[in-house]
Amino acid sequence: SQELEQSPQSLIVQEGKNLTINCTSSKTLYGLYWYKQKYGEGLIFLMMLQKGGEEKSHEKITAKLDEKKQQSSLHITASQPSHAGTYLCGADGGSGTYKYIFGTGTRLKVLA
Amino acid sequence: GAVVSQHPSRVICKSGTSVKIECRSLDFQATTMFWYRQFPKQSLMLMATSNEGSKATYEQGVEKDKFLINHASLTLSTLTVTSAHPEDSSFYICSARIPGTGNNQPQHFGDGTRLSIL
Repeated sequence: SQELEQSPQSLIVQEGKNLTINCTSSKTLYGLYWYKQKYGEGLIFLMMLQKGGEEKSHEKITAKLDEKKQQSSLHITASQPSHAGTYLCGADGGSGTYKYIFGTGTRLKVLA
Repeated sequence: GAVVSQHPSRVICKSGTSVKIECRSLDFQATTMFWYRQFPKQSLMLMATSNEGSKATYEQGVEKDKFLINHASLTLSTLTVTSAHPEDSSFYICSARIPGTGNNQPQHFGDGTRLSIL
């Protein structure tokens, strides 16, 4: 079965610093989705990547999918306290069921 | 945009009580919804796929008789935790996908339900 491993597990950065979160899949990714979750709340969709080499940006967040479609990174530029939360990568298993599996999550804390 | 509503957001009840959680797609019809469970500081674990008009598909290790799923309409799926016990305490989240979009659309998530069994 497919597994998604995220690194780091947790991250504490000073406001204004850049940071990168990685998501590595044990199998080829058919669709990779990045979500953000605040404690006790639902998931907020950030970005979706499908093609090898694809890169998308929204405000200060950039996500990339490597050419082999097995690794994705999420980069935040000039982090702010509002970026704090848990970032989860999710993958479509590709079996036609549209079921997602999720990565282990990265908890981000941004110090003001 | 697409919105998924989940209710209630928080439930506290005594052991042995059955609890129903609702998941609604507000501006689209969802033939498929998903139910997840999340333990503190852990990722989401898929429990089951809810299929409108047919039986839910449960993941390995999830008790069908414990977690009853009903998807009677195109906009509503319910998860009933039967005879809940303290070990069922958790954060439950539902999601829905817009049909006919393949994997070109992300799943949309509810705000979750925190279940606490005393």
